[in-house]
Amino acid sequence: KAGVTQTPRYLIKTRGQQVTLSCSPISGHRSVSWYQQTPGQGLQFLFEYFSETQRNKGNFPGRFSGRQFSNSRSEMNVSTLELGDSALYLCASSFLGTESDEQYFGPGTRLTVT
Amino acid sequence: AQTVTQSQPEMSVQEAETVTLSCTYDTSENNYYLFWYKQPPSRQMILVIRQEAYKQQNATENRFSVNFQKAAKSFSLKISDSQLGDTAMYFCAFMKHDGSSNTGKLIFGQGTTLQVKP
Repeated sequence: KAGVTQTPRYLIKTRGQQVTLSCSPISGHRSVSWYQQTPGQGLQFLFEYFSETQRNKGNFPGRFSGRQFSNSRSEMNVSTLELGDSALYLCASSFLGTESDEQYFGPGTRLTVT
Repeated sequence: AQTVTQSQPEMSVQEAETVTLSCTYDTSENNYYLFWYKQPPSRQMILVIRQEAYKQQNATENRFSVNFQKAAKSFSLKISDSQLGDTAMYFCAFMKHDGSSNTGKLIFGQGTTLQVKP
């Protein structure tokens, strides 16, 4: 079974631009969560999608948004990029997104904002 | 709000020896899960072990075991017979049981970088 894939793996953007990251979950998984990983703040939860609906959201500004498609693939978008958005963005998939479900992580997208 | 604290930013251990990574958490919840994740350098994060809060028995997975002290809100990871491949950053994580309102949200500690030396 193929694992969680994320594209692109690396991205360099300029302040003020916007960016879209993609995550393809493991086949059969319907829940996709997104996390931001930085050296200073660690791993922080962005949001979770299930069956095309955002069910849970972390404490990030409205510049961070996402969506999920009918095939469970998910995208996250960051508008008006700031230097502080430089981070490794991880997505994780699971069957239902509940606490008893194992979350499987992708390799991440490394975003650098200059 | 729930918080997870890992007080050891870095640790090292000799190959074949045993090492224990510490984790404490703060919650008022009674039903929750605790996890240890491993993130090797430039590789994907993988689940090492998990513990259900309502189970008193400590979880074990081969060389990995936990010491879960619910009253003390402590969840340490013991790695026995350390191998070079255990070199990684280890994250302690928490997820509360809250029906449909807390789905998909793991709360992570800051991580402990473990170096296994030959």
